[in-house]
Amino acid sequence: SSELTQDPAVSVALGQTVRITCQGDSLRIYYASWYQQKPGQAPVLVIYGKNSRPSGIPDRFSGSSSGNTASLTITGAQAEDEAEYYCNSRDSSGNHLGVFGTGTKVTVL
Amino acid sequence: QVQLQQWGAGLLKPSETLSLTCAVYGGSFSGYYWSWIRQPPGKGLEWIGEINHSGSTNYNPSLKSRVTISVDTSKNQFSLKLSSVTAADTAVYYCARIGKGSDFWSGTIYWYFDLWGRGTLVTVSS
Repeated sequence: SSELTQDPAVSVALGQTVRITCQGDSLRIYYASWYQQKPGQAPVLVIYGKNSRPSGIPDRFSGSSSGNTASLTITGAQAEDEAEYYCNSRDSSGNHLGVFGTGTKVTVL
Repeated sequence: QVQLQQWGAGLLKPSETLSLTCAVYGGSFSGYYWSWIRQPPGKGLEWIGEINHSGSTNYNPSLKSRVTISVDTSKNQFSLKLSSVTAADTAVYYCARIGKGSDFWSGTIYWYFDLWGRGTLVTVSS
């Protein structure tokens, strides 16, 4: 079972701001990374580390972390941001095993 | 530009062994960990395991008894074998490169999958 919990779905009006959260004990120790996945495509890294974006990812994507919760914020959501979003980190066992969140479907209205 | 190209059999019968290979083109192979991830139809992502260039591995405990990840540094390739497959192993399988870092101020460690293969749909059916 996943050790990282996400809300199943959120919706946001075009141009507004949405925050997606990821909860898990291991997030007190490690930063999460975040992935965007559109239907039929491989996931794409959007945020890693404290708040880093890979080249080509718009600056409307940002990340933060507090306690056992990591957050991905989309400021000024665009239609093309509609996708499934997954967080990822390592488990809390200390063995550094990978684990993904349960995923959040973001709908842009 | 680094690219991952993956291939392998897409249709298996129950009890057979899944075998996939991922080749790394255009970039460094050593110095990274390389991973396999899968996604059953309509479901979320599941980390299968990882390997580095020297063959050090980590596996998902739920799959550990059936999984072997190996590396061929002469070809810049790594492979996945999953034995005794069942219908529950039907999924899109992705290979990915793992990056790792730490925050300068806090020392907090992080990992991330920065490159992904296109995915291979593996169907297990009798």
